[in-house]
Amino acid sequence: DMKVTQMPRYLIKRMGENVLLECGQDMSHETMYWYRQDPGLGLQLIYISYDVDSNSEGDIPKGYRVSRKKREHFSLILDSAKTNQTSVYFCASTPGGAHNTLYFGAGTRLSVL
Amino acid sequence: GQQVQQSPPASLVLQEGENAELQCTYSTTLNSMQWFYQRPGGRLVSLLYSPSWAEQRGGRLTSSAASNESRSSLHISSSQITDSGTYLCATSYNNNAPRFGAGTKLSVKP
Repeated sequence: DMKVTQMPRYLIKRMGENVLLECGQDMSHETMYWYRQDPGLGLQLIYISYDVDSNSEGDIPKGYRVSRKKREHFSLILDSAKTNQTSVYFCASTPGGAHNTLYFGAGTRLSVL
Repeated sequence: GQQVQQSPPASLVLQEGENAELQCTYSTTLNSMQWFYQRPGGRLVSLLYSPSWAEQRGGRLTSSAASNESRSSLHISSSQITDSGTYLCATSYNNNAPRFGAGTKLSVKP
């Protein structure tokens, strides 16, 4: 069963705390993405990973970093979270590069108070 | 970078049975285009994927693209109440990561 799994689904943190969002996929996809979705803005690209330890910044990388040590696992880290990082975060994967169907996780709703 | 605009810009209300056309325009040459459906707070589900300018069909859904206008459309025929939700387009160019439009919220009334 092709699946992208995100954990946790909901998270509440205080400003200044560290946040770890996790994403896993069972399809051996090379490329994975992190997006955030805010009302009226669609999905904004945070980071891209082309494979293990091969990561690139997206359009809004400031305040975020990522880690990919295994092909099936891609983490998004917020060091010292800010209130403007309250959002819904989506992870996606694709078999090879941008020219393939995207498979999305269910999202993580993060609130930073 | 790639700019993606969707229209209707925010929302569209239809009576059940009416047809809908959603549009996606972009600022650079298209390599691929994908349409997604999302329920409130839900996962994005791929509807149609199209490399370059190929028309795609899936049941009551058809996507088409106009290369000379940098525009693609999603046609929904005979809309149903269960079609209600947000429709997003994503485009990719020059092997870059897909960029998304802001989405169009469709409401189908009985």
